[in-house]
Amino acid sequence: AQKITQTQPGMFVQEKEAVTLDCTYDTSDPSYGLFWYKQPSSGEMIFLIYQGSYDQQNATEGRYSLNFQKARKSANLVISASQLGDSAMYFCAMRSPNTGNQFYFGTGTSLTVIP
Amino acid sequence: GAGVSQSPRYKVAKRGQDVALRCDPISGHVSLFWYQQALGQGPEFLTYFQNEAQLDKSGLPSDRFFAERPEGSVSTLKIQRTQQEDSAVYLCASSLRTENEKLFFGSGTQLSVL
Repeated sequence: AQKITQTQPGMFVQEKEAVTLDCTYDTSDPSYGLFWYKQPSSGEMIFLIYQGSYDQQNATEGRYSLNFQKARKSANLVISASQLGDSAMYFCAMRSPNTGNQFYFGTGTSLTVIP
Repeated sequence: GAGVSQSPRYKVAKRGQDVALRCDPISGHVSLFWYQQALGQGPEFLTYFQNEAQLDKSGLPSDRFFAERPEGSVSTLKIQRTQQEDSAVYLCASSLRTENEKLFFGSGTQLSVL
């Protein structure tokens, strides 16, 4: 069975600083995709970044980067130069074709950026 | 349309009432998912369609929940005889293909059962 673990219910970061949100996953499938989504208080789920299990390099998208450590089954999100608008819930998720392409989410981390 | 559209945005139902939630995915998207999100929690999988075929409904909490996508585009999630524990945000998401690919989410329907 797939499992996503986010151990940080809440995080605080000073504006303009970097922050790392942790995510570990558990799967026996060789092919899978890892995703991070942002959910502000308005409720919509916003895609941030994707990492494929066979990708050799860590994914980056603007201020977002994914610290992918395959052997440790870890896919931490790094947000650089935090902005007040980054305050939101952040969800790590995984998808695998070998399990019917279900999309599994973690329990989320609430990030608050302090001015 | 430009994105995934869900309606209604808010729904208040009396306990025991039937409700129907609509999802209009991005045109051409093959995969469609329904999720239930309780307050302060992550989205919980309900069911998954590939075109019109419902490939996985293992997340539906009871036989009061029913979903369909008869023509492989618009989907409806129906909840019969609603109960207070059904109160949640119901999210619909779609993706172009079925492989490891991001989901596009709608804004959700917030269901409150009184």
